[in-house]
Parts: sequence; structure tokens; C-alpha cells
Amino acid sequence: LAKTTQPISMDSYEGQEVNITCSHNNIATNDYITWYQQFPSQGPRFIIQGYKTKVTNEVASLFIPADRKSSTLSLPRVSLSDTAVYYCLVGDDSGGYNKLIFGAGTRLAVHP
Amino acid sequence: NAGVTQTPKFQVLKTGQSMTLQCAQDMNHEYMSWYRQDPGMGLRLIHYSVGAGITDQGEVPNGYNVSRSTTEDFPLRLLSAAPSQTSVYFCASSRGLAGGTDTQYFGPGTRLTVL
Repeated sequence: LAKTTQPISMDSYEGQEVNITCSHNNIATNDYITWYQQFPSQGPRFIIQGYKTKVTNEVASLFIPADRKSSTLSLPRVSLSDTAVYYCLVGDDSGGYNKLIFGAGTRLAVHP
Repeated sequence: NAGVTQTPKFQVLKTGQSMTLQCAQDMNHEYMSWYRQDPGMGLRLIHYSVGAGITDQGEVPNGYNVSRSTTEDFPLRLLSAAPSQTSVYFCASSRGLAGGTDTQYFGPGTRLTVL
């Protein structure tokens, strides 16, 4: 199983860019990297997914270096509403969800 | 399109009682699953289903039963509630079975307290 390691918590201020790095040293060739966001009292929701290089959508960017042993979720100009827990998951097309692991995630606190 | 719905939102049980947490999705997704989330922790997979009539155990299945008679519904049954089952329960669904790439859609959760 591809295990991921993330910081337990991070603090930021409104308007700043936030980068959350996830380490996945034993990522397999076919694995994708997916990030979910969870607000208090809600279920997680998909943010972004990538395989290599850079992926950008309306919410975030995902940077994946060539060796793919880590990835960085970038949130541009955060606001108070970005306060949430962010989970990094690694998995492939063939494996079922029973092989995905939601760790404790990174608890991001955005301050005014 | 309501997505994934769960009922009830809150529930208090006494030790030994049984109950069923309901989960329904209207996206015609094949895959459905149940997770539990304890305070300050990530989600742990309880049971999952890859289609109507097919279920399997996840990481923490003890004390829970599931069945999948229709594509839309995936109820979770607590057979004899214990305080250790106090948690928030999330149901999720996805279109396909590719765990690494298919997006999971989560319900709003059921907060369960067992006294």
C-alpha cells in the first residue's frame, strides 16, 4: 500500500498562498495522487488529481516532481473559508477503494 | 440531483441497541462505501459494495452489517451498539471501481453517540 505523510497542521493568513506537501515515497508506477478537502461537520470533497507535472483547476494547483515521491497542493490567496482538513491519497486504476487510506490529513487554519 | 444523502443526521443509542444508518445516491454509481471518522482522525473504511448484491469488508468491519439490494441504497446496520462505535459515519459513492482515479462523493454524515 502506498502510504502518504503530510504535516499535521498549518496556519496561514487571508490572502496568502498555501502549499501543503505530501510525501509518498513508495508510490507505484500506475498510482495517481488525489487531494480531498473536508470542512467541519461535512464529508470530504474532491479537490484535484494528478499523475505527473502540474495540474490546475479553479480551486487549486497540484505540483508533482519527476520522481513522483511527493506532491504539493497549492491554494492561491486563501480565505477564511479555506479552513479545513486536506487529505492526500495515492491509488491506481486497478485497485479498489479498500486500498485507499485517508490518513489524519493536514488541518489548515486560515486567520484574518 | 441530490447526490449522496444520509439519514439520520444525529442519533443517540444505548449500549446493546441496534439501528440502521441509511444511505442513498441518485447518480447511478456502482461503488458505495461506509467510513467512520473518530475525532481528529482520518476516515476508516467499514464496508464497501461494487454493485447491487456484492459487498465486502473494509478495514474495520466488526459490529457492522451491510447489504446492497439496489444500486441506489446501501444501509449500514449496527447489530449491538457499543460505546466504541461512537463516531461520525460517512457514506460515499463513485461511478467506477477504480479506487485511485474515480472521484468519491461523500454524504453529509451521521453523528452517532452510544451511551
